[in-house]
Amino acid sequence: DAKTTQPPSMDCAEGRAANLPCNHSTISGNEYVYWYRQIHSQGPQYIIHGLKNNETNEMASLIITEDRKSSTLILPHATLRDTAVYYCIVRVFYGGSQGNLIFGKGTKLSVKP
Amino acid sequence: ETGVTQSPTHLIKTRGQQVTLRCSSQSGHNTVSWYQQALGQGPQFIFQYYREEENGRGNFPPRFSGLQFPNYSSELNVNALELDDSALYLCASSLDRDNYGYTFGSGTRLTVV
Repeated sequence: DAKTTQPPSMDCAEGRAANLPCNHSTISGNEYVYWYRQIHSQGPQYIIHGLKNNETNEMASLIITEDRKSSTLILPHATLRDTAVYYCIVRVFYGGSQGNLIFGKGTKLSVKP
Repeated sequence: ETGVTQSPTHLIKTRGQQVTLRCSSQSGHNTVSWYQQALGQGPQFIFQYYREEENGRGNFPPRFSGLQFPNYSSELNVNALELDDSALYLCASSLDRDNYGYTFGSGTRLTVV
């Protein structure tokens, strides 16, 4: 079973920041937080990952709380093309579970004009 | 633009038949994973191959089997198809088992009637 809890759906206005929360209260010390998204009719796309420090790349920012029990994915300026299902996943980076990703149901983000 | 190609994109089979799905990984990616995604659910891990050997398996029966070839292509075989096998089958490749950078294909939509 997935070790994360996400809201089933969220709306965001185009051009505004989209903040997607994720709870992972049972995360282990060696587990990373990963975010993927899946646009309709496509395979999942890697967005970002982090251990305990905040991370930023060209797609998004990841904010992890100090106790690591929750995190937030931030899309700073959402566009219509960001409409997708967003998955928050925790997994060991090295040496565990043969690398499989355990997906939950994710959050369906709808960006509206 | 994804570097992972899956074929066919859609397929209809009859219950009891056998099916082979194919995946062409990004050049140099020595790890390939297969996932099953039922409608409205997140992808579920089937198994992973690393350097042509299976090195991880999810909760799927033995009638789900696979192969990985030296040219970075791979196959998912399903015998004795059941109606519940109807799903989107996704292939994901990466450079190493523990690499976070999984690249997914767009999947094969299998319908069993």
